[in-house]
Amino acid sequence: EAGVVQSPRYKIIEKKQPVAFWCNPISGHNTLYWYRQNLGQGPELLIRYENEEAVDDSQLPKDRFSAERLKGVDSTLKIQPAELGDSAVYLCASSSGTGNEKLFFGSGTQLSVL
Amino acid sequence: AQSVSQHNHHVILSEAASLELGCNYSYGGTVNLFWYVQYPGQHLQLLLKYFSGDPLVKGIKGFEAEFIKSKFSFNLRKPSVQWSDTAEYFCAVNAGGSYIPTFGRGTSLIVHP
Repeated sequence: EAGVVQSPRYKIIEKKQPVAFWCNPISGHNTLYWYRQNLGQGPELLIRYENEEAVDDSQLPKDRFSAERLKGVDSTLKIQPAELGDSAVYLCASSSGTGNEKLFFGSGTQLSVL
Repeated sequence: AQSVSQHNHHVILSEAASLELGCNYSYGGTVNLFWYVQYPGQHLQLLLKYFSGDPLVKGIKGFEAEFIKSKFSFNLRKPSVQWSDTAEYFCAVNAGGSYIPTFGRGTSLIVHP
């Protein structure tokens, strides 16, 4: 069974540029999460999807961040424009969505904003 | 809002030493508890989890954790560590029926051969 796939693995951009991250969850997983992990910290939730609906997005900085999950499968997270403080690892995870199931994580996208 | 504290940020041990990593959470109701591990160059993966029943749970690779409700703790233990246990360890909590695990900041474990 394929795991959660994220791309790109690394991204280096200059500040004020746009950037997008892509995630393909495990087949059949209705719940998809985007987390941000700063250096030396644990993952922090940005947004959670149930199928195609964003059900928890209170931590998403909506002035510059956006996300979508068309058709309830793949998801894209976008930052426009990027700031220096956005440098972090962006993790995608999926689960079967019953509330007490484990999360399956992708390898993450390491973003460096110069 | 729930929060998770991992007090040991960096731990260095020799092989065969015993390990205990602390995890405390702040929530007075029902919780689901997890330990995740991230080996060098790999993605986060589940080590063990507690939902209900026996408060002593056993996970993969000889790890175990004990849920002590009165102390709001879920400490991770292993009686004898190996070099291959070198990794980042994250405690996570789902509280009150939430579908959103809150993670601690992690503990970096280095095991010397």
